[in-house]
Parts: sequence; C-alpha cells; structure tokens
Amino acid sequence: RKEVEQDPGPFNVPEGATVAFNCTYSNSASQSFFWYRQDCRKEPKLLMSVYSSGNEDGRFTAQLNRASQYISLLIRDSKLSDSATYLCVVNPGLANAGKSTFGDGTTLTVKP
Amino acid sequence: EAQVTQNPRYLITVTGKKLTVTCSQNMNHEYMSWYRQDPGLGLRQIYYSMNVEVTDKGDVPEGYKVSRKEKRNFPLILESPSPNQTSLYFCASSLMARRGGMYEQYFGPGTRLTVT
Repeated sequence: RKEVEQDPGPFNVPEGATVAFNCTYSNSASQSFFWYRQDCRKEPKLLMSVYSSGNEDGRFTAQLNRASQYISLLIRDSKLSDSATYLCVVNPGLANAGKSTFGDGTTLTVKP
Repeated sequence: EAQVTQNPRYLITVTGKKLTVTCSQNMNHEYMSWYRQDPGLGLRQIYYSMNVEVTDKGDVPEGYKVSRKEKRNFPLILESPSPNQTSLYFCASSLMARRGGMYEQYFGPGTRLTVT
C-alpha cells in the first residue's frame, strides 16, 4: 500500500460545479498536510495548508480527518482556471521530519 | 524576489557522463529537497537536507548524490547517469517547524533531464 493515495481521476466537471478530492495516508503520526496545484508539468505551488480544524480560502475548503487518516479538498463554483493537477502532501512528525510524501495527483478539467 | 533557482533547465546527456544540477534559494530556508517526477506519478523524494552538512535519503536515492556545504545551495549529482534517470527534477526549500512539521515548500522551475 502506498503511503499517500489519491484518486487519479480524471475529474471532468462543468463550470460552476462543486468537486471534492480525497487523499488517504498510512502514517498515523503524520503532522503536516498540504494541497498543491501543478499546471502542465510546471513546478507545484501551494494551494492550501490543511489544519486540524479545517480551513477555507475563498472557494476552496480543506479538511483533515485524523481518525480515518485522510484529507480532502473541496472546490466550489469551479472555474476554467481551476483545471490542473492537485497533489496532496503529507509530512511525518519528528521521527522523519524531513520526509515529504506526495500523492500521485488528481487531474481536474473544468469545461465550459 | 524570493525564489528557488535550478540550472540547467533542460539537459540531454549520455549514459555514464557525470552531471550536476544546481539548486539555490534566497529565502534562508533550513530545509531543501530534491524530487523527481515521472509521467503519471507524483513527486518522489530523492534526498533532503535539514540544514548545512545534514542530508538524508528520501524514497529513491539510488544513483544520486547531494551535498549541503552552504545554506543556500543544494546540488544534485548524478555520478553515472542511466536512461532510467530520465525525468523531471524539482528542487524545493522550506522552513522547518519546531515540532518537526513542515511549512510550505517553494519549488524551483524544474530541470528536464534526458539520458540517452
């Protein structure tokens, strides 16, 4: 089993749709969680950190479920510009502080 | 401007010819890391460094070397490149949280390496 697993998609949605991605992780001691966005094999860029209490940034909502060991990303009112690959990232705690495990990415295409 | 730079951006080389990909950051970050990305896959960590002279293996370190002699630089060395090292390489840097977690990673623009 992979340490971090994402549904690869692709997700094809119309503009204005709401779409959700999940990412499961296997290390229960993991401490830091992030969602990154990657466009066309360019460098990944931070979309959101994921906090224990959940957090929202405009149309984007991230949640963490430690009991079930997954994080989620919800995109509301999808825009064409949201088309990209979304990568979840999990960092373990002190035992392996520098390790950083990425999911394989979920591809989203938003269509007019 | 805060940034991570990588050089070269594109490189085509032959099997066995030693090469170095440079990475430099101007944000005074303690943490730096190298990743490779292959089609259909996410980023896989090659090596990382928590600070000067402190490096450790990631998930796919075979065939690579790194060094961290200065805080701002973290070169990736391929002593004897092979075709299976053809990939897209990203360097990243970050601050480290005190309790072992990590903050946002800032990525360089990537280096496309082809080994024939």
